[in-house]
Amino acid sequence: AQSVTQPDIHITVSEGASLELRCNYSYGATPYLFWYVQSPGQGLQLLLKYFSGDTLVQGIKGFEAEFKRSQSSFNLRKPSVHWSDAAEYFCAVGPFAGNNRKLIWGLGTSLAVNP
Amino acid sequence: NAGVMQNPRHLVRRRGQEARLRCSPMKGHSHVYWYRQLPEEGLKFMVYLQKENIIDESGMPKERFSAEFPKEGPSILRIQQVVRGDSAAYFCASSPPSGSTNEQFFGPGTRLTVL
Repeated sequence: AQSVTQPDIHITVSEGASLELRCNYSYGATPYLFWYVQSPGQGLQLLLKYFSGDTLVQGIKGFEAEFKRSQSSFNLRKPSVHWSDAAEYFCAVGPFAGNNRKLIWGLGTSLAVNP
Repeated sequence: NAGVMQNPRHLVRRRGQEARLRCSPMKGHSHVYWYRQLPEEGLKFMVYLQKENIIDESGMPKERFSAEFPKEGPSILRIQQVVRGDSAAYFCASSPPSGSTNEQFFGPGTRLTVL
């Protein structure tokens, strides 16, 4: 079955600390992987995406993610968290090709940042 | 290029009334997705449409909910005889035609409150 698991429902870090949000997926085809961020009361914004090439991808706001095929993971990282990073983070996987473009979503990780 | 537009941003209905939520995809996008987000919960896929076709409605409740994406005009999510449990944020996303990036672009959402 196709699925995305974000093991951490809620994470709290101190401002300036490093951050890693975990994402594991189960997908039968070549995956297209995404991380989105949702600030309170807002829609979702794409942070970064991966479908081929260098397995370390850079995104907006200083985020990066590493694709590890052997572990079926696509973890999101940031070296130094800012208070404005407090938000909900969603990992998603979808087909690289084909006409059905539906994404499979994780349940999200809520990030709180302590001053 | 304007982003995904949703209106209204906030909608208040009494139990038994109808709610109509509109979504205008980004220019050139032919795929539209509707999601529901309950408070403190993740995104729940509802329906995936292309122009004049429903591709996947596996997340739509069997009763009272319907969606369309006509040849001209916005996509509409219609909820008949609303109940309090329908109160949620409803997000629309769009993506380009097949053959290009599978990224979904999100609108700001419609927050439905049922009194």
